[in-house]
Amino acid sequence: DIQMTQSPSTLSASVGDRVTITCRASQSVSNWLAWYQQKPGKAPKLLIYKASSLESGVPSRFSGSGSGTEFTLTISGLQPDDFATYYCQQFNTDSQTFGPGTKVDIK
Amino acid sequence: QVQLRESGPGLVKPSETLSLTCGVYDASFSGVYWSWVRQPPGKGLEWIGEITYSGRTNYNPSLKSRVTISIDLSKNHFSLRLNSVTAADTAVYYCARVYGAKGGIDYWGQGTLVTASS
Repeated sequence: DIQMTQSPSTLSASVGDRVTITCRASQSVSNWLAWYQQKPGKAPKLLIYKASSLESGVPSRFSGSGSGTEFTLTISGLQPDDFATYYCQQFNTDSQTFGPGTKVDIK
Repeated sequence: QVQLRESGPGLVKPSETLSLTCGVYDASFSGVYWSWVRQPPGKGLEWIGEITYSGRTNYNPSLKSRVTISIDLSKNHFSLRLNSVTAADTAVYYCARVYGAKGGIDYWGQGTLVTASS
């Protein structure tokens, strides 16, 4: 099984900050990596697919990069609506796995 | 607009079988994977498994011995069965759609809380 890790687990930031979250896979997943945002009591929302493609309707301040085993999600200019938990998910194998999540809270 | 809606009992007794159905509205079944994901209270997301319109399935290895996902195209729904539940299976269960070319879950149900308790 491919294991996913995320760092940091919690991130305190202010509105306007540039925020970077890292996701690492235990083996290469090529570019089959997605990022989600989840708010309490809600289903996750797809932000990025195939490592760097922005889902339709998602603000351009969200961007993704990476391939192989290391990936990043960047929020350029954090907005009040962005305080949430972020998850990565790999789709490279028939058994998919999520990362443990990164909570972005208000500093 | 694609809509997914989970339905099923909110309470299951330990050792019994959890059964949920996901109704699919305004979506084609072909070319996509239909998935189940769960989230224990206060914890992260866990992928359970997926099925294609042709009935091909993939399961999380840690749950494979207890899980069955099926699809009924005539009723526009797919289903989850999880056998021999324990308290550790208490979670919000989401049905979801994976668009194969994207490799991402682009539509989710609202989620349904299932509690395993006597």
